[in-house]
Amino acid sequence: NAGVTQTPKFQVLKTGQSMTLQCAQDMNHNSMYWYRQDPGMGLRLIYYSASEGTTDKGEVPNGYNVSRLNKREFSLRLESAAPSQTSVYFCASSEGGSSYNSPLHFGNGTRLTVT
Amino acid sequence: GENVEQHPSTLSVQEGDSAVIKCTYSDSASNYFPWYKQELGKRPQLIIDIRSNVGEKKDQRIAVTLNKTAKHFSLHITETQPEDSAVYFCAATLYDYKLSFGAGTTVTVRA
Repeated sequence: NAGVTQTPKFQVLKTGQSMTLQCAQDMNHNSMYWYRQDPGMGLRLIYYSASEGTTDKGEVPNGYNVSRLNKREFSLRLESAAPSQTSVYFCASSEGGSSYNSPLHFGNGTRLTVT
Repeated sequence: GENVEQHPSTLSVQEGDSAVIKCTYSDSASNYFPWYKQELGKRPQLIIDIRSNVGEKKDQRIAVTLNKTAKHFSLHITETQPEDSAVYFCAATLYDYKLSFGAGTTVTVRA
């Protein structure tokens, strides 16, 4: 039981390049999330998927897109990376559904640097 | 949306002493208040949570109190140990997907 798995762990991009961050969970959770973590700003929600087949914007969605590929997988895409997107990205999942207010389970994070 | 403020931003305590972190929230409809601990270079992990129908919850050396009238909640760590050194985040929400986090408190336990 791996929990939430994110890839890659580290990535360096040049401004304007694109990339996709992958996330998969094996806990049969309904809800999945992408957060970014910046010093002194806590964790900010980029996008979430309350259930398979749905996605919605969070607090800071500009510059990102997501795909809920199936119940297990939720990817985050940067179409044209900018230095302001340098951050640590965390994927998370929760039971969701009728069990709202369930704990978040986080992946190990992706440290992204855009030069 | 929800706005969560967390204080202090850094906290240094002597081993064995207590640590207290306080958070305030803006949305009176919020009813779920989790606390996450993040060790250096690791993922955030839930350490305790409380729901609005409860005023206090304890789990060994950690406790959380909630004052819904004043819209604030606090984390208390007693008999601190070196392994308690980490960043602690409070959060508040009505629904999972509306979880708003505080900016975090870096706790250092001095031996």
